[in-house]
Amino acid sequence: LAKTTQPISMDSYEGQEVNITCSHNNIATNDYITWYQQFPSQGPRFIIQGYKTKVTNEVASLFIPADRKSSTLSLPRVSLSDTAVYYCLVGDLPYYQKVTFGTGTKLQVIP
Amino acid sequence: DVKVTQSSRYLVKRTGEKVFLECVQDMDHENMFWYRQDPGLGLRLIYFSYDVKMKEKGDIPEGYSVSREKKERFSLILESASTNQTSMYLCASSEVEEQFFGPGTRLTVL
Repeated sequence: LAKTTQPISMDSYEGQEVNITCSHNNIATNDYITWYQQFPSQGPRFIIQGYKTKVTNEVASLFIPADRKSSTLSLPRVSLSDTAVYYCLVGDLPYYQKVTFGTGTKLQVIP
Repeated sequence: DVKVTQSSRYLVKRTGEKVFLECVQDMDHENMFWYRQDPGLGLRLIYFSYDVKMKEKGDIPEGYSVSREKKERFSLILESASTNQTSMYLCASSEVEEQFFGPGTRLTVL
């Protein structure tokens, strides 16, 4: 199983770009990297997913180096509403038989 | 919008009771999952199912069982609840990529 490691917490000021890195040294060839966001008292919500290089959508970018042993979630110009826990997920699609959630990074956005 | 609903938001049970947690999804997804979430431990997969009547153990299946008699419904069963099963339980469903989570059930076992 690919175990993931993330920073426990991060602080950022509003308007800054935030980068959260996830380490997954034992990632397997078939594994994808997925990031989720979770607000208190809610279930996690999908943010972005990738296999290699760079993926961008309307809310975030995901950078994956060639060796795929880590990945970085980039949130541009964060606002207070981005305060949440961010989880890095490594698993093979579609059955998620080897899914592994990280412990999550608690991002606190400061006014 | 995909909707995943869980039968209860809060549940209080006593040690030794049999507990059923129900999850229903409305998007005809093949895959369904049960996780538990504890402080400092993140989300841990208990069981998942990729088809009706099919189930696979996750990372922490001990003390739990599941049932999937219909595609839209996935039940988590605690045969004899114990205090160490006090936790937040999250259900999810997916087709290929994205998992859609329910709001969670906070179970307290006294």
